[in-house]
Amino acid sequence: EAGVTQFPSHSVIEKGQTVTLRCDPISGHDNLYWYRRVMGKEIKFLLHFVKESKQDESGMPNNRFLAERTGGTYSTLKVQPAELEDSGVYFCASSHPRQGGAGQETQYFGPGTRLLVL
Amino acid sequence: DAKTTQPPSMDCAEGRAANLPCNHSTISGNEYVYWYRQIHSQGPQYIIHGLKNNETNEMASLIITEDRKSSTLILPHATLRDTAVYYCIVRIYNDYKLSFGAGTTVTVRA
Repeated sequence: EAGVTQFPSHSVIEKGQTVTLRCDPISGHDNLYWYRRVMGKEIKFLLHFVKESKQDESGMPNNRFLAERTGGTYSTLKVQPAELEDSGVYFCASSHPRQGGAGQETQYFGPGTRLLVL
Repeated sequence: DAKTTQPPSMDCAEGRAANLPCNHSTISGNEYVYWYRQIHSQGPQYIIHGLKNNETNEMASLIITEDRKSSTLILPHATLRDTAVYYCIVRIYNDYKLSFGAGTTVTVRA
């Protein structure tokens, strides 16, 4: 079974440009998450999709970030325009809904996209 | 935000058991204890989780104290590939997001 995949693995862009990150979850996983670690900080939650619907986007830093999951399969995270402080590693995770709710659900992470904004 | 306290780093000898402590003194009855690890340049990897009973799987054992205020992750026979940052996460039963703290950097030495 293929794991969570993310594309690209690395991206270097200039401040003000747009970048789109893609995440392909494990097949059949309805839950999809985005997290990020910015330089020197801890891994932070960004948002959670259930199929194509945004369940929780409380971690999205500002309106320069837009996440979509059309059709409930892969997801994209667009940063427009990118700022220097957006540099970091963006992780995607997916999970299959479990009886017993969130407490019993295991998230599987992708390798991350390393974003550097110059 | 993270509700756990872990030592920033620890060393372990290859082949020996690694015991990773975690303090979660404010844990409530409906919160689970999860452990993830992140090997360099990879995404976080699930290890194990528990509510109040001790748990064991093919990777590790989780020992939770009776009062649930602390726990210990045990890697029974550490290998060099176990070198990673280990995260202890307290997670309420109906909250999907994971709150990562600083974790413990574990270095397994030959």
